[in-house]
Amino acid sequence: AQTVTQSQPEMSVQEAETVTLSCTYDTSESDYYLFWYKQPPSRQMILVIRQEAYKQQNATENRFSVNFQKAAKSFSLKISDSQLGDAAMYFCAYNRDDKIIFGKGTRLHILP
Amino acid sequence: SQTIHQWPATLVQPVGSPLSLECTVEGTSNPNLYWYRQAAGRGLQLLFYSVGIGQISSEVPQNLSASRPQDRQFILSSKKLLLSDSGFYLCAWSVLHNYGYTFGSGTRLTVV
Repeated sequence: AQTVTQSQPEMSVQEAETVTLSCTYDTSESDYYLFWYKQPPSRQMILVIRQEAYKQQNATENRFSVNFQKAAKSFSLKISDSQLGDAAMYFCAYNRDDKIIFGKGTRLHILP
Repeated sequence: SQTIHQWPATLVQPVGSPLSLECTVEGTSNPNLYWYRQAAGRGLQLLFYSVGIGQISSEVPQNLSASRPQDRQFILSSKKLLLSDSGFYLCAWSVLHNYGYTFGSGTRLTVV
């Protein structure tokens, strides 16, 4: 069965600093997709970034980037120049076929 | 543009009462539709998904059921609610699963 593990229940970072959220996953497939979702206090789920497993190049979206290590089954999210609006729950997710499986999330606090 | 509507936003129901949560999608055809539940402080658990009218897949045996009477309508139901059914329910849709899901704004259900 596919599983997604986020080992950091909570993290804090100083405003304007950089933070990395960890994620590992377990799969026997070679073709799949990975995502990071953000859930702010409003609880609306927002897609932050996606990575296709067959692409070696790490995805980047403005201040958000990933470190995708396929062999290690690791998919970490780096947030640069952290802003107060980045405070949220962040979920790592794995997708193949018709379903997305989510990790339990990391709550990120931004310290002013 | 595609939009997803989910209602009600909040609901307080007594134990043993029925439940009906509705989700509709606009601006797309033949979407995959999903119901997730998020317990307090925890990750997202996939409850049901549907790839077409009348096609429902259940991920977790439970007190809930789902139906898809129309292409862009997805309903989550229960005949008799339990205290353990309390949580935050999210509906989501996708057309191409590798692009991730778009989520509704969620329903906070409290069973008392």
